[in-house]
Amino acid sequence: NAGVTQTPKFQVLKTGQSMTLQCAQDMNHEYMSWYRQDPGMGLRLIHYSVGAGITDQGEVPNGYNVSRSTTEDFPLRLLSAAPSQTSVYFCASRAGLGTDTQYFGPGTRLTVL
Amino acid sequence: SQQGEEDPQALSIQEGENATMNCSYKTSINNLQWYRQNSGRGLVHLILIRSNEREKHSGRLRVTLDTSKKSSSLLITASRAADTASYFCATDANSGAGSYQLTFGKGTKLSVIP
Repeated sequence: NAGVTQTPKFQVLKTGQSMTLQCAQDMNHEYMSWYRQDPGMGLRLIHYSVGAGITDQGEVPNGYNVSRSTTEDFPLRLLSAAPSQTSVYFCASRAGLGTDTQYFGPGTRLTVL
Repeated sequence: SQQGEEDPQALSIQEGENATMNCSYKTSINNLQWYRQNSGRGLVHLILIRSNEREKHSGRLRVTLDTSKKSSSLLITASRAADTASYFCATDANSGAGSYQLTFGKGTKLSVIP
């Protein structure tokens, strides 16, 4: 199993550009999440999904959209990039509710100029 | 908002010594998890302790949970240079509508000096 994969690993955008961060998992996990990590900070939840077709907002959803058309994929879209979105983005998945660990992807380092 | 808060923020020890990190949280939890993050990498799950457990061991790791004090500690015994990383606690609580979310603290940066 590849686990959780993310592409790209690095990305530089100009203010106002849009892009999609890709995330895929091959563990048939129902739950998937997107986090951002800023220097000296823990992870903050952007959006999450409890299954195909179901998404919800986390702590810091503004400026981001998600969709979940399949169990495997959970892309994160930046609609109009801003310098405040410069961060490292992590995708994660977990099997079920409450007592399951999360598996993290390697991250995407995004810089918005 | 971040529920878990680790203490200390940074810790530097000699190889072979024990390292203890603490985590405090605010609300009732289903379980508490510890993760490690090596520089420039994703988080790796270390250990999970459920709310009805008080202590758990995994290799050189020992985790305790005190739900009355809303706190947990992670002990790494006989530390190695390879243990150098940031360590995060994450609390797993029901956020409503049957959805469980992990909430992470800011982490403890551990440096193990050879």
